[in-house]
Amino acid sequence: ETGVTQTPRHLVMGMTNKKSLKCEQHLGHNAMYWYKQSAKKPLELMFVYSLEERVENNSVPSRFSPECPNSSHLFLHLHTLQPEDSALYLCASSHRGQGIMNTEAFFGQGTRLTVV
Amino acid sequence: RKEVEQDPGPFNVPEGATVAFNCTYSNSASQSFFWYRQDCRKEPKLLMSVYSSGNEDGRFTAQLNRASQYISLLIRDSKLSDSATYLCVVNPLRGGYNKLIFGAGTRLAVHP
Repeated sequence: ETGVTQTPRHLVMGMTNKKSLKCEQHLGHNAMYWYKQSAKKPLELMFVYSLEERVENNSVPSRFSPECPNSSHLFLHLHTLQPEDSALYLCASSHRGQGIMNTEAFFGQGTRLTVV
Repeated sequence: RKEVEQDPGPFNVPEGATVAFNCTYSNSASQSFFWYRQDCRKEPKLLMSVYSSGNEDGRFTAQLNRASQYISLLIRDSKLSDSATYLCVVNPLRGGYNKLIFGAGTRLAVHP
């Protein structure tokens, strides 16, 4: 039973559509992340939010727009995507890095996105 | 140079075998390290955390060598259910926040 929930699990969207991915964590964490996993490629960190402030934007195109309204919720707003954006989008949460211990991240089940 | 590099795999081993995966990282200031397991089309799940020189949990042993910037994962007495991709993860802890950097993963296939 995961403490991080992502919706929807699957999404097919056209290149002109606007959609949003949602992530919710029930673990009392104060940092949240978006990762992208394309076929046969390692997980790529997209965004990091620490205490609801975006602290990392890993050169992600502006057609991906994150939002973190509070420490339990994270959104990824999508618009005018390209077919090469088709991938598994994973949300994760953790305690923020104030020390070495307890920095493990826990993942949601992901949203499998197909852009047509 | 990639921030985290792993054995490419795949490793095909019989049940009961001992198998070891290697991982190197480039940021010498990294402080915490993890091994995650990812099954096909599923999310990564934490297998082990490595904060000091090593950690052992049942059949799984992780070793950390900070001088060589090297992490390993040893699996003893392999089970069919161990078949998965094993991800080496490094946390540089830059700027006071976590930034988990994943390796490309090593695929393990355990056969009867």
